Amino acid sequence: EVQLVESGGGLVQPGGSLRLSCAASGFTFSSYSMNWVRQAPGKGLEWVSYISSSSSTIYYADSVKGRFTISRDNAKNSLYLQMNSLRDEDTAVYYCAREQVPAANTFDYWGQGTLVTVSS
Amino acid sequence: AIRITQSPSSLSASTGDRVTITCRASQGISSYLAWYQQKPGKAPKLLIYAASTLQSGVPSRFSGSGSGTDFTLTISCLQSEDFATYYCQQYYSYPQGTFGQGTKVEIK
Repeated sequence: EVQLVESGGGLVQPGGSLRLSCAASGFTFSSYSMNWVRQAPGKGLEWVSYISSSSSTIYYADSVKGRFTISRDNAKNSLYLQMNSLRDEDTAVYYCAREQVPAANTFDYWGQGTLVTVSS
Repeated sequence: AIRITQSPSSLSASTGDRVTITCRASQGISSYLAWYQQKPGKAPKLLIYAASTLQSGVPSRFSGSGSGTDFTLTISCLQSEDFATYYCQQYYSYPQGTFGQGTKVEIK
């Protein structure tokens, strides 16, 4: 069974940092591209970042470029999101999501999400 | 950036009803459109991709159609477990796919 489990969310002050993790199991993690998608409270979904299976290709949404860093450790079946210079508008539930093959950039499995609250 | 307009933002329906949700893209996106279902407090679930391809395990009462700029998600016979919020997503502008604003399907 495919499982994605996020952790690392919490309350942080504006300008602070947080590192999210996503532990994957039930599939060959190293064969799949992965993404982070977020959802502000009561709002819609926003794609945040993409990393290819080998980490050779990485993309970010304009709203987080230069502040967030995505990475992965295929030996540990884990995905990460380092978030720096956090702003109020980064408050959201952050989901890790597996990219489906075929139909790249659609997401066939999601974690349960981890809540990040940016507030003073 | 490609904008996605989803409508309606909410609707009320009864079990057994036929429900239609639409998405319109600001420019042609061929068939690069997906639909997701999200229930409160849960992660989204992929229902349809490539505008009309049903994801494995999704009931056949769900169907999608359209290409270019106009797309439709249809639930042919609404069941109690279908009350949720539905999102469309364009993935033509890979990887910066954008989602619609969502349609909440509520019980009448």
